[in-house]
Amino acid sequence: DGGITQSPKYLFRKEGQNVTLSCEQNLNHDAMYWYRQDPGQGLRLIYYSQIVNDFQKGDIAEGYSVSREKKESFPLTVTSAQKNPTAFYLCASAFTGGSQPQHFGDGTRLSIL
Amino acid sequence: AQTVTQSQPEMSVQEAETVTLSCTYDTSESDYYLFWYKQPPSRQMILVIRQEAYKQQNATENRFSVNFQKAAKSFSLKISDSQLGDAAMYFCAYREETSGSRLTFGEGTQLTVNP
Repeated sequence: DGGITQSPKYLFRKEGQNVTLSCEQNLNHDAMYWYRQDPGQGLRLIYYSQIVNDFQKGDIAEGYSVSREKKESFPLTVTSAQKNPTAFYLCASAFTGGSQPQHFGDGTRLSIL
Repeated sequence: AQTVTQSQPEMSVQEAETVTLSCTYDTSESDYYLFWYKQPPSRQMILVIRQEAYKQQNATENRFSVNFQKAAKSFSLKISDSQLGDAAMYFCAYREETSGSRLTFGEGTQLTVNP
């Protein structure tokens, strides 16, 4: 079955540590996205990528980094510069153009130890 | 920057009744797309319905329909014959034709369905 796989489901970070969240899709989508969701709030865009080896900052990119070396993969690194990383992180992918909707993974919950 | 506003943080409906969730947006563009997503307690994001701004006809998907008022920049979601499984957080989202497919989300409306 085609879909988006995020791993791990739960992740814990120590102070001063970088952690990487994985996102893989087999839907042959061109574009991929990372969102952050805080309790009771909507989704905010961190980074997005429309093609391999290219990506753009979203609305809250500070303290995060990404790479897009393969079409299927768009990992997100939460760096130690992100002072409040506790949140639910959602990865999405889509065909670009038209009314094509974004499809979402099941999310990763990141907590601080 | 475009903004999406959902003015109802919480709504409730009796099972089998109809409920309408509100959404307004701010844009100067003429070509764009609007979406409603559902997020149940499992936290999955599920597409409910989409609307192209160039289409005057309101989109419908089974029990879900929208009232799209382009001049008023309003995009409400109507759920008919509400079911217990409709209980979820509902997000309205906006996307420009030229934005690289990036979505702007509203803050969400938490829908409770009472038996």
